[in-house]
Amino acid sequence: QVQLVESGGGLVKPGGSLRLSCAASGFTFSDYYMIWIRQAPGKGLELISYISSSSSSTNYADSVKGRFTISRDNARNSLFLQMNGLRAEDTALYYCARFDQVVYGMDVWGQGTTVTVSS
Amino acid sequence: DIQMTQSPSSVSASVGDRVTITCRASQDISSWLTWYQQKPGEAPKLLIYAASSLQSGVPSRFRGSGSGTDFTLTISSLQPEDFATYYCHQANTFPWTFGQGTMVELK
Repeated sequence: QVQLVESGGGLVKPGGSLRLSCAASGFTFSDYYMIWIRQAPGKGLELISYISSSSSSTNYADSVKGRFTISRDNARNSLFLQMNGLRAEDTALYYCARFDQVVYGMDVWGQGTTVTVSS
Repeated sequence: DIQMTQSPSSVSASVGDRVTITCRASQDISSWLTWYQQKPGEAPKLLIYAASSLQSGVPSRFRGSGSGTDFTLTISSLQPEDFATYYCHQANTFPWTFGQGTMVELK
């Protein structure tokens, strides 16, 4: 079935780095834009980055611009988020999601991976 | 950035009640508005896209309406499984932004 599975979260010190991964299955990954969204504990949703199907277009929220890099490997059906210069305010549950350009919305979500930034 | 403002922030309701949630955009987003439902411990789920189109598999008691800057999500007869937090989202202009959420609680 259609599925997204995130991994790579963990505890990291301020200023540290993490690389999140999202493994896709059950659909033609290379046909879709992909999104990273995060949710701080007890808070709402924040869309932090997207990448086009061919990787030709990316965009970032101001809160992560210059620190985070989104990428994908269509041959491996995988999405990545390289996070550098982590701050306490980056502590959140990070979701990857598929963006369907027909419905113009995120129609498939992973279960999330938790990132905690603390000394 | 386009600000999305939902009201109310929370609503207490009973099974069978009609519940209405509004979402206002700070500028015109045409019909590029989606609604998501999130239950505790779960990922969000797409309910409504293009402001008023029901996502496949979503019960017909959910209805979306509006365009431009003012949008509404209505649950016609609240069911036990509908107690959750609801978010509106605009993908008209990046950064794509969410409303702050509306929690639907059991009265």
